Amino acid sequence: QVQLRQSGPGLMKPSQTLSLTCAISGDSVSSDFATWNWIRLSPSRGLEWLGRTYYRSKWYNEYALSVKNRITINPDTSKNQFSMQLNSVTPDDTGLYYCAREEVPGPKRVGYAFDMWGQGTMVAVSS
Amino acid sequence: DIQMTQSPSSLSASVGDRVTITCQASQGISNYLNWYQLKPGKAPKVLISDASNLETGVPSRFSGGGSGTDFTFTISSLQPEDIATYYCQQYENVPYSFGQGTKVEIK
Repeated sequence: QVQLRQSGPGLMKPSQTLSLTCAISGDSVSSDFATWNWIRLSPSRGLEWLGRTYYRSKWYNEYALSVKNRITINPDTSKNQFSMQLNSVTPDDTGLYYCAREEVPGPKRVGYAFDMWGQGTMVAVSS
Repeated sequence: DIQMTQSPSSLSASVGDRVTITCQASQGISNYLNWYQLKPGKAPKVLISDASNLETGVPSRFSGGGSGTDFTFTISSLQPEDIATYYCQQYENVPYSFGQGTKVEIK
């Protein structure tokens, strides 16, 4: 059974760097049939995809334009987890942050879908 | 980027009612669309994938349809446990994008 377990702080001050980690059990961060994503939920923006990392003979990262200059997503194969760093946070970054597995076409699926999610981390940015 | 326009933003219906939510993409996305259910304190759940494919274990009162730019999500007989916010999501292109969400309440 696949589980994603998030960890990281919930309260930040403006200009700080947000660091969140998502530990994977029951799957591999190097899987050919998954990508590993960060998504946030906020009252102002609703659900917003932030970015992903995945392995296809080499590592790839893709990011949303809204955070592209501030975000880094990294895999950690030794711990089977992935992390997100978001620099220079502002109150607009306040929200509920999720890590999520995207299952891709393969033995179990025809299309793409976020089929497993972490428990969510509520992040508040305030001075 | 592909914009997803979802409506209505909220609705109130009686138990047993048929409920329909629409999602429109700013460009054609074939059937590359999923529907998710969000409940407070719970992880989001994918209900419908590829526009009309019911995920394993999801009750058959949920259904989806459409292709190209116009999509629908239907609950054929609303149940109290369906109180949640529902989102469409396109995966035609990165960056992925979601609709604005529809909050479903019981009248």
